[in-house]
Amino acid sequence: QLVESGGGLGQRGGSLRLSCAASGFTFSNYWMTWVRQAPGKGLEWVANIDQSGSVTHHVDSGKGRFTISRDNAKNSLYLQMNSLRDEDTAVYYCARDPSPSYCSGDSCATFDALDIWGQGTMVTVSS
Amino acid sequence: AIQMTQSPSSLSASVGDRVTITCRASQGIGDDLGWYQQKPGTAPKLLICAASHLESGVPSRFSGSGSGTDFTLTISSLQPEDFGTYFCLQDYTYPRTFGQGTKVEIK
Repeated sequence: QLVESGGGLGQRGGSLRLSCAASGFTFSNYWMTWVRQAPGKGLEWVANIDQSGSVTHHVDSGKGRFTISRDNAKNSLYLQMNSLRDEDTAVYYCARDPSPSYCSGDSCATFDALDIWGQGTMVTVSS
Repeated sequence: AIQMTQSPSSLSASVGDRVTITCRASQGIGDDLGWYQQKPGTAPKLLICAASHLESGVPSRFSGSGSGTDFTLTISSLQPEDFGTYFCLQDYTYPRTFGQGTKVEIK
């Protein structure tokens, strides 16, 4: 399972660090992803990270402000959020991605598949 | 970023009805698309990845099809527990992008 923590009230321009604790599977074998959902809105992909932590991708609005990282020894995923903006107010979910591969003929490809999600942690940005 | 547009935004259908939700990409994405179901106050749940591969444990009344720019999620016989909002997610390129969601209501 995945359990997020670290949400709460963040000051505009300030910082928050979200954590996601994994259990029940070999954390180091999986890509991991952060997804957020503003109140009453749809889902927004935020960032993902490969198994070793050496490859990361971030949403354009988070580049330079958000940093995804992981500690495989602690079975934990993180999202460092700096320069908080009002529009960062949302529930933040972490999700596991087994990145399954499927083959068609001689061609195989890897896909995203966010198969286990945490319960989410709420971040509220206020002045 | 690739834009994902779902239609309809909402629908109301009866138990036993066949329901179809469409997701259109602003450019070709091969078969790099997943479908997720979200019920109020809960995290999303994976239904389908790679456009048509059903996640383990998901009922067979759910199916996905399409490639390129046009994709479909079909519920062959709507059940009471299928209410919720359905989202598509492209994983063809970064940043990944979700559709805006389709809210399904049971009549």
